[in-house]
Amino acid sequence: QVTLKESGPVLVKPTETLTLTCTVSGFSLSNDRMGVSWIRQPPGKALEWLAHIFSNDEKSYSTSLKSRLTISKDTSKSQVVLIMTNMDPADTATYYCARRVLELRGGYDYYYMDVWGKGTTVTVSS
Amino acid sequence: EIVLTQSPGTLSLSPGERVTLSCRASQTVSSSYLAWYQQKPGQAPRLLIYGASNRATGIPDRFSGSGSGTDFTLTISRLEPEDFAVYYCQQYGSPGYTFGQGTKLEIK
Repeated sequence: QVTLKESGPVLVKPTETLTLTCTVSGFSLSNDRMGVSWIRQPPGKALEWLAHIFSNDEKSYSTSLKSRLTISKDTSKSQVVLIMTNMDPADTATYYCARRVLELRGGYDYYYMDVWGKGTTVTVSS
Repeated sequence: EIVLTQSPGTLSLSPGERVTLSCRASQTVSSSYLAWYQQKPGQAPRLLIYGASNRATGIPDRFSGSGSGTDFTLTISRLEPEDFAVYYCQQYGSPGYTFGQGTKLEIK
C-alpha cells in the first residue's frame, strides 16, 4: 500500500524558515517513474503546486516561489524535505505531498499525482 | 506559465442530474498531461481522471473526461450524493504543474 505522510511545525513566525518532511512508504524514491511533489492550499482557496523532485534528483520549482524553496530527498529514509524561507502570514496553508507517476502506454507518457498525503496545516503568525 | 480557468465557479445541482465542468488553458496542453481531481472538505484531493480521459483506479464510470488543445471537460453522468465536492483540473508543463481555481458542486 502506497502512503505519504507530511510532518512539520504547526506554527511558525513571520520571517522564519519552514521545514516540512514527507515520509513515503510502498514505493521507492529511486524508482525512475516516480517522483514527489509538494502542493499547498490556503484556507478556502485553490491548490497551488510548489515543487517537485524526480528520482534522478532533478528538481523543479514554482516560478513565483522559486527563490524561497528548496526540495531534497533522502532515498534511504524514504523522505522528501521541503524548505521554505522567509515565511509570511500569506503562507498559512495546508501543505500536501503527493506521488507523481510517469506512465508509459500506447506511445504516450502520462503524468499524474495518484496518491496524496493527508496534509499538514501550517499557520504563520507572531 | 500556463493558466487554467475553470467554469463555472459554483454549480447548484440535484442528485441524478448530469453535469459538465469546463477547464480552459491559456496555451495548448498535451492531453496526456491533463488531470482532474476531486476534493471534499477536510480531505486531500483524489485523482479522478488522467491523460484527459483515463479514469483512475477505482473511479466509477459515471465520471468521464474529454478534450484537447486548450479545452477540456469533466462530465458526471448522474450525480450521486457523494459527488458534491470541489473539482480541480491540473496540467503538467514547464516548469511544473498548475491547477485551475476549482469548480464547486453544491446540492440544490
